[in-house]
Amino acid sequence: GDSVTQMEGPVTLSEEAFLTINCTYTATGYPSLFWYVQYPGEGLQLLLKATKADDKGSNKGFEATYRKETTSFHLEKGSVQVSDSAVYFCALNTGGFKTIFGAGTRLFVKA
Amino acid sequence: AAGVIQSPRHLIKEKRETATLKCYPIPRHDTVYWYQQGPGQDPQFLISFYEKMQSDKGSIPDRFSAQQFSDYHSELNMSSLELGDSALYFCASSSNRLAGGEQYFGPGTRLTVT
Repeated sequence: GDSVTQMEGPVTLSEEAFLTINCTYTATGYPSLFWYVQYPGEGLQLLLKATKADDKGSNKGFEATYRKETTSFHLEKGSVQVSDSAVYFCALNTGGFKTIFGAGTRLFVKA
Repeated sequence: AAGVIQSPRHLIKEKRETATLKCYPIPRHDTVYWYQQGPGQDPQFLISFYEKMQSDKGSIPDRFSAQQFSDYHSELNMSSLELGDSALYFCASSSNRLAGGEQYFGPGTRLTVT
């Protein structure tokens, strides 16, 4: 079945460091891919998305490129801030009514 | 912009009691989803409704039921509550699933079963 695998956390970085959170997927169709972010005590917020191969989603300095050949959608940010500390979820949807989430990666950014 | 509204935000129940969680989707969104998120876990899909009909079913226990009403709000009914039902319950809504399945999440209802 469809699945999402993302790197385990927590990831601890210093402010202004480069961030990569790996995400790979398995899907039978041509999924849309998403990154959601969950700040402490809040619901999930859509961070960015890509709906077809080679699309690049970007928002708030974060980027991810839909790589069909490697079935990946890695999240990157060039310079993280303390306010980026949160849990990041990679997710996919193959056009149905169910979105499959990865296990989440907790990011801590130290000042 | 209007967001997904969930009520109550916090709920404390005892074992074997019942609970009803409510979700009000973003206006003009036709699809509602329910998720359960245990501590430190990823959200687990429970059930979804499209145009007031159940559209997909995930790992929802038989003790739980849900429906979507004519005004598109949805309710998740939980009976015979168990300690393991303690979790954060999210509702999400979307419009036009053909546009990529993008969902907008509510703030969640934290259910504690004692």
